[in-house]
Amino acid sequence: AAGVIQSPRHLIKEKRETATLKCYPIPRHDTVYWYQQGPGQDPQFLISFYEKMQSDKGSIPDRFSAQQFSDYHSELNMSSLELGDSALYFCASSLRGGGTWGSPLHFGNGTRLTVT
Amino acid sequence: AQSVTQLGSHVSVSEGALVLLRCNYSSSVPPYLFWYVQYPNQGLQLLLKYTTGATLVKGINGFEAEFKKSETSFHLTKPSAHMSDAAEYFCAVSDGNSGYALNFGKGTSLLVTP
Repeated sequence: AAGVIQSPRHLIKEKRETATLKCYPIPRHDTVYWYQQGPGQDPQFLISFYEKMQSDKGSIPDRFSAQQFSDYHSELNMSSLELGDSALYFCASSLRGGGTWGSPLHFGNGTRLTVT
Repeated sequence: AQSVTQLGSHVSVSEGALVLLRCNYSSSVPPYLFWYVQYPNQGLQLLLKYTTGATLVKGINGFEAEFKKSETSFHLTKPSAHMSDAAEYFCAVSDGNSGYALNFGKGTSLLVTP
């Protein structure tokens, strides 16, 4: 079965640079979520999109922005990168459908961002 | 807001022994509860979920969890540990009031010894 695809798998940037992470959800899933997982930490929710509109907002820094495109793929844009932004960034998708609470999230394998 | 607390950041069991990973939730409304497993350098894989109905939920790889409202718990168990079970386990909650995103616990690292 098709899974959530994230690219790139690894990314190395310098401080103050910008980075763009891409996510391709499972076909027919209508909701995309972005999470950040620091070393040895639990995943922290950043932001989500439902049917291409921002849905929920978590602890996403102002330096970050995201959007979901007409083909449902999503991009997380990160500017003025800081050393503390080094983390695993996960994208997940779900089928929210007609307000079905409790739909599980399906995660990609993540993008490991290293800021030097 | 909903949250989960995982008791024990590290749990070590012998191969063949019972696995018990603890999770307690806090929610003002009936929660939806999940257990995910994460292997090194990989994404999170859903083990099982509780939404409504039967309180004993069976998942993949022989894991199961029981929703106990009176104890606000959703502990994960497996009768007999395998070496391949060594991984990080996360409990997560969503209650709908705070959106559809999941809030994760701090995780429990399971070590399985021969």
